[in-house]
Amino acid sequence: DIQMTQSPSTLSASVGDRVTITCRASQTISTWLAWYQQKPGKAPKLLIYKASILESGVPSGFSGSGSGTEFTLTISSLQPEDFATYYCQQYNGYPWTFGQGTKVEFK
Amino acid sequence: DVQLEESGGGLIQPGGSLRLSCAASGFTVSSNYMSWVRQSPGKGLEWVSVIYSGGSTYYADSVKGRFTISRDKPKNMLHLQMNSLGVEDTAIYYCAGGRDAYNPGAWGYWGQGTLVTVSS
Repeated sequence: DIQMTQSPSTLSASVGDRVTITCRASQTISTWLAWYQQKPGKAPKLLIYKASILESGVPSGFSGSGSGTEFTLTISSLQPEDFATYYCQQYNGYPWTFGQGTKVEFK
Repeated sequence: DVQLEESGGGLIQPGGSLRLSCAASGFTVSSNYMSWVRQSPGKGLEWVSVIYSGGSTYYADSVKGRFTISRDKPKNMLHLQMNSLGVEDTAIYYCAGGRDAYNPGAWGYWGQGTLVTVSS
Protein backbone atom coordinates (compact mmCIF):
# COMPACT_ATOMS: atom_id res chain seq x y z
CA ASP A 1 0.00 0.00 0.00
CA ILE A 2 1.07 3.58 -0.62
CA GLN A 3 1.55 5.38 2.69
CA MET A 4 0.73 9.08 2.83
CA THR A 5 2.39 11.13 5.55
CA GLN A 6 1.31 14.68 6.32
CA SER A 7 3.20 17.26 8.30
CA PRO A 8 2.59 18.86 10.60
CA SER A 9 -0.20 16.99 12.38
CA THR A 10 -1.35 20.21 14.02
CA LEU A 11 -0.67 23.75 12.93
CA SER A 12 -1.39 26.82 15.03
CA ALA A 13 -1.94 29.95 12.98
CA SER A 14 -3.62 33.33 12.93
CA VAL A 15 -5.98 34.95 10.46
CA GLY A 16 -3.94 36.33 7.58
CA ASP A 17 -1.08 33.85 7.96
CA ARG A 18 0.34 31.96 5.00
CA VAL A 19 -0.02 28.26 5.76
CA THR A 20 1.73 25.32 4.11
CA ILE A 21 0.94 21.65 4.66
CA THR A 22 3.20 18.93 3.30
CA CYS A 23 2.22 15.47 2.12
CA ARG A 24 4.72 12.74 1.27
CA ALA A 25 3.94 9.50 -0.53
CA SER A 26 5.89 6.30 0.17
CA GLN A 27 6.26 5.77 -3.58
CA THR A 28 5.75 7.88 -6.64
CA ILE A 29 2.16 8.77 -7.45
CA SER A 30 2.79 11.18 -10.34
CA THR A 31 0.21 13.92 -9.72
CA TRP A 32 -2.69 11.69 -8.68
CA LEU A 33 -3.29 13.55 -5.46
CA ALA A 34 -6.26 15.33 -3.95
CA TRP A 35 -6.63 17.64 -0.98
CA TYR A 36 -9.73 17.83 1.19
CA GLN A 37 -10.95 20.14 3.92
CA GLN A 38 -13.12 18.74 6.69
CA LYS A 39 -14.95 20.62 9.41
CA PRO A 40 -16.40 18.93 12.52
CA GLY A 41 -19.56 16.96 11.80
CA LYS A 42 -19.32 17.55 8.08
CA ALA A 43 -18.28 15.53 5.05
CA PRO A 44 -14.92 16.31 3.49
CA LYS A 45 -14.82 18.92 0.75
CA LEU A 46 -12.60 18.59 -2.31
CA LEU A 47 -10.20 21.51 -2.66
CA ILE A 48 -7.55 20.37 -5.12
CA TYR A 49 -7.26 17.43 -7.51
CA LYS A 50 -4.50 16.24 -9.83
CA ALA A 51 -2.14 17.83 -7.32
CA SER A 52 -2.67 21.42 -8.45
CA ILE A 53 -6.09 21.89 -10.05
CA LEU A 54 -8.43 24.01 -7.98
CA GLU A 55 -11.89 22.52 -7.65
CA SER A 56 -14.69 24.73 -8.93
CA GLY A 57 -15.96 27.14 -6.31
CA VAL A 58 -12.91 26.85 -4.05
CA PRO A 59 -11.34 30.22 -3.18
CA SER A 60 -8.21 31.10 -5.10
CA GLY A 61 -6.29 31.48 -1.86
CA PHE A 62 -5.87 27.70 -1.89
CA SER A 63 -3.19 26.19 -4.09
CA GLY A 64 -1.50 22.84 -4.50
CA SER A 65 1.81 21.80 -5.96
CA GLY A 66 4.15 18.87 -6.28
CA SER A 67 4.61 15.63 -8.15
CA GLY A 68 6.14 12.24 -7.54
CA THR A 69 6.33 11.89 -3.78
CA GLU A 70 6.28 15.45 -2.40
CA PHE A 71 3.24 17.68 -2.36
CA THR A 72 2.11 20.87 -0.66
CA LEU A 73 -1.14 22.62 0.05
CA THR A 74 -0.82 26.35 0.59
CA ILE A 75 -3.35 28.78 1.97
CA SER A 76 -2.08 32.22 1.03
CA SER A 77 -3.95 34.17 3.70
CA LEU A 78 -5.79 32.18 6.34
CA GLN A 79 -9.43 33.14 6.75
CA PRO A 80 -11.63 32.39 9.78
CA GLU A 81 -13.53 29.75 7.81
CA ASP A 82 -10.30 27.93 6.94
CA PHE A 83 -9.75 26.55 10.44
CA ALA A 84 -10.38 22.87 9.81
CA THR A 85 -8.64 19.56 9.24
CA TYR A 86 -6.96 18.95 5.89
CA TYR A 87 -6.29 15.58 4.29
CA CYS A 88 -4.24 14.56 1.29
CA GLN A 89 -5.22 11.43 -0.62
CA GLN A 90 -3.58 9.50 -3.43
CA TYR A 91 -5.50 7.80 -6.20
CA ASN A 92 -2.58 6.49 -8.19
CA GLY A 93 -2.87 2.90 -7.02
CA TYR A 94 -5.19 0.71 -5.00
CA PRO A 95 -5.96 0.94 -2.22
CA TRP A 96 -6.48 4.68 -2.44
CA THR A 97 -5.06 6.08 0.77
CA PHE A 98 -5.25 9.22 2.88
CA GLY A 99 -2.79 11.09 4.99
CA GLN A 100 -3.50 11.19 8.70
CA GLY A 101 -4.73 14.78 8.54
CA THR A 102 -3.48 18.21 9.56
CA LYS A 103 -5.55 20.22 11.98
CA VAL A 104 -5.26 23.97 11.49
CA GLU A 105 -6.20 25.65 14.76
CA PHE A 106 -6.23 29.17 16.19
CA LYS A 107 -2.93 30.33 17.58
CA ASP B 1 -27.76 20.71 -7.61
CA VAL B 2 -26.13 17.38 -6.83
CA GLN B 3 -27.29 15.61 -3.71
CA LEU B 4 -26.16 12.30 -2.29
CA GLU B 5 -28.04 10.90 0.69
CA GLU B 6 -26.96 7.80 2.59
CA SER B 7 -29.22 5.57 4.63
CA GLY B 8 -29.16 2.18 6.30
CA GLY B 9 -26.75 2.77 9.13
CA GLY B 10 -27.42 1.72 12.69
CA LEU B 11 -26.37 -0.50 15.56
CA ILE B 12 -25.48 -4.06 14.61
CA GLN B 13 -23.94 -6.94 16.54
CA PRO B 14 -20.55 -8.34 15.58
CA GLY B 15 -20.89 -10.88 12.82
CA GLY B 16 -24.03 -9.25 11.50
CA SER B 17 -24.86 -7.75 8.12
CA LEU B 18 -26.04 -4.36 7.00
CA ARG B 19 -26.85 -2.78 3.67
CA LEU B 20 -26.12 0.88 3.12
CA SER B 21 -27.77 2.86 0.37
CA CYS B 22 -26.99 6.17 -1.28
CA ALA B 23 -29.69 7.98 -3.22
CA ALA B 24 -28.51 10.46 -5.81
CA SER B 25 -30.23 13.44 -7.38
CA GLY B 26 -28.82 15.75 -10.01
CA PHE B 27 -26.17 13.10 -10.60
CA THR B 28 -26.25 9.79 -12.46
CA VAL B 29 -24.71 7.04 -10.34
CA SER B 30 -24.24 4.59 -13.21
CA SER B 31 -22.36 7.13 -15.34
CA ASN B 32 -19.90 8.07 -12.65
CA TYR B 33 -17.22 6.59 -10.47
CA MET B 34 -18.81 6.05 -7.09
CA SER B 35 -16.98 5.24 -3.89
CA TRP B 36 -17.66 4.50 -0.25
CA VAL B 37 -15.34 6.19 2.22
CA ARG B 38 -15.51 5.70 5.99
CA GLN B 39 -14.29 7.53 9.04
CA SER B 40 -13.99 5.92 12.45
CA PRO B 41 -15.09 8.16 15.32
CA GLY B 42 -12.45 10.82 15.90
CA LYS B 43 -10.14 9.25 13.34
CA GLY B 44 -9.02 9.77 9.79
CA LEU B 45 -10.55 8.81 6.46
CA GLU B 46 -10.39 5.38 4.83
CA TRP B 47 -11.41 4.54 1.30
CA VAL B 48 -13.56 1.40 1.24
CA SER B 49 -14.63 0.60 -2.32
CA VAL B 50 -15.23 2.00 -5.80
CA ILE B 51 -17.46 1.03 -8.69
CA TYR B 52 -16.55 2.34 -12.10
CA SER B 53 -19.07 3.39 -14.71
CA GLY B 54 -18.17 0.25 -16.64
CA GLY B 55 -18.95 -1.89 -13.61
CA SER B 56 -15.46 -2.73 -12.37
CA THR B 57 -15.16 -2.79 -8.61
CA TYR B 58 -12.24 -2.48 -6.19
CA TYR B 59 -12.02 -2.85 -2.44
CA ALA B 60 -9.76 -2.02 0.45
CA ASP B 61 -8.03 -5.12 1.80
CA SER B 62 -9.77 -4.61 5.15
CA VAL B 63 -13.20 -5.24 3.60
CA LYS B 64 -12.41 -7.49 0.63
CA GLY B 65 -14.55 -10.59 0.67
CA ARG B 66 -16.97 -9.11 3.22
CA PHE B 67 -18.32 -5.98 1.51
CA THR B 68 -19.93 -5.68 -1.92
CA ILE B 69 -20.53 -2.44 -3.77
CA SER B 70 -23.34 -2.29 -6.31
CA ARG B 71 -25.69 0.13 -7.96
CA ASP B 72 -29.32 0.24 -9.02
CA LYS B 73 -29.55 2.07 -12.33
CA PRO B 74 -33.35 2.58 -12.47
CA LYS B 75 -33.40 3.94 -8.91
CA ASN B 76 -30.14 5.88 -9.35
CA MET B 77 -28.77 4.43 -6.15
CA LEU B 78 -25.50 3.08 -4.81
CA HIS B 79 -25.34 0.28 -2.25
CA LEU B 80 -22.83 -1.29 0.06
CA GLN B 81 -23.62 -4.75 1.38
CA MET B 82 -21.59 -5.35 4.52
CA ASN B 83 -21.28 -8.86 5.94
CA SER B 84 -19.34 -10.35 8.85
CA LEU B 85 -19.13 -6.98 10.52
CA GLY B 86 -16.59 -6.43 13.26
CA VAL B 87 -16.09 -3.66 15.80
CA GLU B 88 -13.36 -2.28 13.54
CA ASP B 89 -16.04 -1.47 10.95
CA THR B 90 -17.66 1.07 13.26
CA ALA B 91 -17.55 4.35 11.36
CA ILE B 92 -19.43 7.01 9.50
CA TYR B 93 -19.84 5.78 5.94
CA TYR B 94 -19.92 8.33 3.15
CA CYS B 95 -20.84 7.78 -0.46
CA ALA B 96 -18.80 9.96 -2.76
CA GLY B 97 -18.84 10.72 -6.46
CA GLY B 98 -15.64 10.87 -8.46
CA ARG B 99 -14.91 14.21 -10.02
CA ASP B 100 -14.60 12.88 -13.55
CA ALA B 101 -13.37 9.90 -15.56
CA TYR B 102 -9.75 11.07 -15.35
CA ASN B 103 -9.92 11.64 -11.62
CA PRO B 104 -12.13 8.83 -10.29
CA GLY B 105 -10.49 8.96 -6.90
CA ALA B 106 -11.02 12.67 -6.37
CA TRP B 107 -14.46 13.05 -4.89
CA GLY B 108 -16.25 16.26 -5.64
CA TYR B 109 -19.59 15.09 -4.31
CA TRP B 110 -20.26 13.67 -0.87
CA GLY B 111 -23.27 12.60 1.11
CA GLN B 112 -23.75 13.59 4.72
CA GLY B 113 -22.76 10.15 5.97
CA THR B 114 -24.49 7.35 7.84
CA LEU B 115 -23.20 5.95 11.14
CA VAL B 116 -22.61 2.23 11.50
CA THR B 117 -21.95 1.02 15.03
CA VAL B 118 -20.87 -2.58 15.53
CA SER B 119 -21.23 -3.56 19.15
CA SER B 120 -22.65 -6.29 21.32
